[in-house]
Order: sequence, then C-alpha cells, then structure tokens
Amino acid sequence: KAGVTQTPRYLIKTRGQQVTLSCSPISGHRSVSWYQQTPGQGLQFLFEYFSETQRNKGNFPGRFSGRQFSNSRSEMNVSTLELGDSALYLCASSPGHRGANEKLFFGSGTQLSVL
Amino acid sequence: AQRVTQPEKLLSVFKGAPVELKCNYSYSGSPELFWYVQYSRQRLQLLLRHISRESIKGFTADLNKGETSFHLKKPFAQEEDSAMYYCAPILGGTSYGKLTFGQGTILTVHP
Repeated sequence: KAGVTQTPRYLIKTRGQQVTLSCSPISGHRSVSWYQQTPGQGLQFLFEYFSETQRNKGNFPGRFSGRQFSNSRSEMNVSTLELGDSALYLCASSPGHRGANEKLFFGSGTQLSVL
Repeated sequence: AQRVTQPEKLLSVFKGAPVELKCNYSYSGSPELFWYVQYSRQRLQLLLRHISRESIKGFTADLNKGETSFHLKKPFAQEEDSAMYYCAPILGGTSYGKLTFGQGTILTVHP
C-alpha cells in the first residue's frame, strides 16, 4: 500500500499570500488529520476530517482551514500568510473507525517558508 | 490545562546501555498512551501503543497513574535507536485525530 502522500514537498510564499497544501491518505483510510511542526512549538494539532466533515479542531486562527473530498483526499489552506506560519505541515491518516483511538500514519510533510 | 512534558531535550547513551525516555502528563482521567518516533530522513511513525501493547524495536513503557508518567524503556540500546522520540497521549475520550505531543527527546546512541 502506498503511504500518505503530501504535495508539494516545499513551498516558498510571501507575507499576505495564501497557500493550499494537499494530502492523499492511505487507500481505505477515511480520517485525515493535519499538524503544524515548528522548532519552538513542536507538533500542534490543526484539525481532522472524516467523510468530508471536520470532526475536531485545534486552537489555530480562522486563517487556517481545510476540506476533505469524497475520495478522502484533503487540502489545507492558509490565507493571509504571516512569517510565523513558516513550518513543516504534516498530514496523517487513519481508518477512522468510530469511537476508536487509532494509530496515525504520517506523511513526509510540506515545508512552508513565508518570506 | 492538559499538558505533556518530556523533560529531556537531549539524551545520550552508549550502545548496550539501558535507556529511559521520560514522559509526564497532566490529566486526571485515564489517558490512552502512545510513543511516536522519527528516525533520520524518515516519517514520524508509531513506536508503541500502551493499550494494545503494540511495539516495535524492543521498547516497552509502563503507565504509572500515581506519578502520571509513561516512560519509554529499552534494556540494551542500539545505534539504530538514535532518533527523535515523542510521547503522545490522548487525554480524554475519542481523539478524532488529535494527539497532544510532548516536545520530543533526541536520543543519541554512541558506539
């Protein structure tokens, strides 16, 4: 089985721009979660999607949004980029069984640099 | 507030020595406990899951509810164990993808 795929691998943007990151989960996985990783704050949960619905959300401003498509692929969007948004954005997938705390399978991440 | 603390940012041991990576959490209920690991140039992956005893590479971890700790142990460290280790408990109910990661410990095993 192919693993979690994230594109693009690297992105360079300037302040004020917006960006869209993509994540394709493992085949058959219906839950997709997004995390931000920075040297200062570590790994922080952004949100989780299941069956095209956001089920859980972290403490990030509304500039961070996401969506999930019927094939379980997910996109994350950040609008009005700030310098502090520079980070590695990780996507993780899991089967998404109701009521289960499943192990997550992570992608390689998208490294976003905001200049 | 729910918090996860890994007190050691860096840990160095020699090959064959025992290793213990510390993790403390603040939560009054029963957490579900995970350790994740990131080897150099590899993806973050599950190392150990407490509830199912699922584990790779010979690591174990015991939950100490009294001390609210979930320390990771291995009796004889190997050079290939060098990596970044994250304690990631689920603090309450169904996580829906949300893990609360500690800051991580970089383990270096010297030959």
